[in-house]
Amino acid sequence: QKEVEQNSGPLSVPEGAIASLNCTYSDRGSQSFFWYRQYSGKSPELIMFIYSNGDKEDGRFTAQLNKASQYVSLLIRDSQPSDSATYLCAVKESTLGRLYFGRGTQLTVWP
Amino acid sequence: DGGITQSPKYLFRKEGQNVTLSCEQNLNHDAMYWYRQDPGQGLRLIYYSQIVNDFQKGDIAEGYSVSREKKESFPLTVTSAQKNPTAFYLCASSNPRTGGATDTQYFGPGTRLTVL
Repeated sequence: QKEVEQNSGPLSVPEGAIASLNCTYSDRGSQSFFWYRQYSGKSPELIMFIYSNGDKEDGRFTAQLNKASQYVSLLIRDSQPSDSATYLCAVKESTLGRLYFGRGTQLTVWP
Repeated sequence: DGGITQSPKYLFRKEGQNVTLSCEQNLNHDAMYWYRQDPGQGLRLIYYSQIVNDFQKGDIAEGYSVSREKKESFPLTVTSAQKNPTAFYLCASSNPRTGGATDTQYFGPGTRLTVL
């Protein structure tokens, strides 16, 4: 069983701050990593994916990947109350290609 | 308007009853997936299908069944053998032919099943 670990939170940050969400994974052969945002009662929506070591930026979001440490993170700059949600980390398995999900980190951005 | 639809949005089941959750996609995706989500938990894979007329068990397949007779459709039946079916059920699809790293799963709106 592949493991994907996230801090469950809740993580609480003030509006305008940087929110940092972390994820570690056990399958060293994993190649692709995904961050989803899930609002309460809704389905997950894709924010970003990353497959190369280093940083990938998309607007206020930056995904960081370190395969040697088996670690992936999501930074949200200039956090807004609308960013308040649960963030799910997903790792694509190296053999069958299915995704393994972490339990999610609940983020609250207060005005 | 492309996307994934799930119906119904809410479903109530009596004990001992089988129910079927619908999932349809018009994204021309080859692969489809069913997940279960319990409060405060991540997504757990029930079944997945990478091509028509073929599917594989995920991590929690007991008490569930699926079929994949058409590319667009992947219905999930929750049988009476599933002892604790109350959960949020999510269907997803992806297109593995776009390339491994960017084979992204997109989700439908979900069905919330409650056992009475």
